[in-house]
Amino acid sequence: ETGVTQSPTHLIKTRGQQVTLRCSSQSGHNTVSWYQQALGQGPQFIFQYYREEENGRGNFPPRFSGLQFPNYSSELNVNALELDDSALYLCASSSRQGSPLHFGNGTRLTVT
Amino acid sequence: GQQLNQSPQSMFIQEGEDVSMNCTSSSIFNTWLWYKQDPGEGPVLLIALYKAGELTSNGRLTAQFGITRKDSFLNISASIPSDVGIYFCAGQLFKAAGNKLTFGGGTRVLVKP
Repeated sequence: ETGVTQSPTHLIKTRGQQVTLRCSSQSGHNTVSWYQQALGQGPQFIFQYYREEENGRGNFPPRFSGLQFPNYSSELNVNALELDDSALYLCASSSRQGSPLHFGNGTRLTVT
Repeated sequence: GQQLNQSPQSMFIQEGEDVSMNCTSSSIFNTWLWYKQDPGEGPVLLIALYKAGELTSNGRLTAQFGITRKDSFLNISASIPSDVGIYFCAGQLFKAAGNKLTFGGGTRVLVKP
């Protein structure tokens, strides 16, 4: 059974640019969530996708958007990058809504 | 919004010691979870608690879901060097938007020099 995999592992972007981060859910998991973890802090909920629809969103602006594909893989897109977007972005999947989340190792995004 | 206060923020352990950390919330949760995060990796689930008062063990780890549903603690017995890392508590509320997890700020466990 493969776990949650994310790509790329590291990324450097310039302020104002756009970025796409990718995630493959753990086998058999149909729910995917994205979290932002700033340095020295706990992860913060961005949004969750279930059956290709966003079904919950945290306190993040609309320039944070996502997609979930029929194979349950997912993307996180961030437009108009700001310096404060520098963080570790974590993808997590679960077998059903409400069951424990299993996290990937994240993508470290640096915005300069 | 919901806030989770995790304490202590950091602690030093000596091999063989028992350690304890806790998490308190301003409001109730239906589920409490404890994760460990090592450098360069994502959080790994240690223990999940689903019922107020529940006491659950996973090897040397023991966690409890507080009766008020506003707190939880994690104990590590007979600590070993690989226990070093950052431990996060997380609360989940049924029917919350996206079944989101609310995380504490973490307890950083370090080895005594």
